Amino acid sequence: DVKVTQSSRYLVKRTGEKVFLECVQDMDHENMFWYRQDPGLGLRLIYFSYDVKMKEKGDIPEGYSVSREKKERFSLILESASTNQTSMYLCASTSLQGNTEAFFGQGTRLTVV
Amino acid sequence: GEDVEQSLFLSVREGDSSVINCTYTDSSSTYLYWYKQEPGAGLQLLTYIFSNMDMKQDQRLTVLLNKKDKHLSLRIADTQTGDSAIYFCAEVPITSGTYKYIFGTGTRLKVLA
Repeated sequence: DVKVTQSSRYLVKRTGEKVFLECVQDMDHENMFWYRQDPGLGLRLIYFSYDVKMKEKGDIPEGYSVSREKKERFSLILESASTNQTSMYLCASTSLQGNTEAFFGQGTRLTVV
Repeated sequence: GEDVEQSLFLSVREGDSSVINCTYTDSSSTYLYWYKQEPGAGLQLLTYIFSNMDMKQDQRLTVLLNKKDKHLSLRIADTQTGDSAIYFCAEVPITSGTYKYIFGTGTRLKVLA
């Protein structure tokens, strides 16, 4: 069974903390993505990576960075968490082959207080 | 702009048909997708249609594609309470080169017993 696993379902962090959200996929996919999901706004792309050590900014990269040191792992970093980063974060991966179906993790609900 | 548009809410009675609509942006998109998100979960692929097709049927699901108007719809026949979820349409423009997904805002379907 294919899997995208996010390290936490729920996180509560304080303003100003450095936050790491981890995502691992076991499908040998080339592409990995980080989205945030907010009511009425759908999924907005933060960053994506199409290969190890490669990354591109999405639509809302401000306040975030990413790391992809290994093919299976894509980390999202909030350098200094702020309350407007309270959201649901979703990781996804896709292959370059076939119908490019995106496989999603279960999501991490982050609350910044 | 890169906006995939959907209405935010839809409410139907159990046993009726549901029709969820979407307008997308890029006529070069090879595949167009419908994803389903159940409460507390990530997104799962429901169905997809190749851009050279007008229609695709899969059990209770019918996807209609109008390329001229860049309009995509998902019809669920005999809607059940288990169909209550958020439905996202998505496109992957060929011009993106890296299979960058663009998601709509999501339509929250509520099925009334």
